[in-house]
Amino acid sequence: ETGVTQSPTHLIKTRGQQVTLRCSSQSGHNTVSWYQQALGQGPQFIFQYYREEENGRGNFPPRFSGLQFPNYSSELNVNALELDDSALYLCASSIGPIAGELFFGEGSRLTVL
Amino acid sequence: GQQLNQSPQSMFIQEGEDVSMNCTSSSIFNTWLWYKQDPGEGPVLLIALYKAGELTSNGRLTAQFGITRKDSFLNISASIPSDVGIYFCAGQEGGGAQKLVFGQGTRLTINP
Repeated sequence: ETGVTQSPTHLIKTRGQQVTLRCSSQSGHNTVSWYQQALGQGPQFIFQYYREEENGRGNFPPRFSGLQFPNYSSELNVNALELDDSALYLCASSIGPIAGELFFGEGSRLTVL
Repeated sequence: GQQLNQSPQSMFIQEGEDVSMNCTSSSIFNTWLWYKQDPGEGPVLLIALYKAGELTSNGRLTAQFGITRKDSFLNISASIPSDVGIYFCAGQEGGGAQKLVFGQGTRLTINP
């Protein structure tokens, strides 16, 4: 186990709804990154949070947003859900923003109907 | 989005055989990593490579960082049933944000 925990593990939403996913990082890790993994694909970088601020973003629209809290835990929020948002959302923590090694949680599987 | 070219996409082997998979990119990476993902789980880090030409082992796993910094390979020797899963390569370009670019994965199936 990596020590990174995510919740919920599974959820179902309908188009247009909003969702919040949560992540607790591994002890001693101050950086959290979020990835989207579509079925049969590799993970795609959404954004990274360091010192409670967004520190890099992938090719995702503004309706994907996040937060990092003083205890380094994090949230991913997605507004106006679309069918293509159905995916496994992975949180990864690391000891810093440029460290090469990420430790992933088990993911939150989102299904949008 | 940008992805690495990982091959083969799938492998079907007999238990005890050796396995080799590789990853190529049009971009230079400062770090190469190999992850394994089991069904319903997140990716687990197997090996991290930080220097061009570096060859690193982790038990039966061996990985190399290509000298051009645009490729990497992973070898698994004497495969066992628990090696089944999907293997991903990932590259990090460097800079301020720790963005990893992942390959599409190699699905390994082992016949006992």
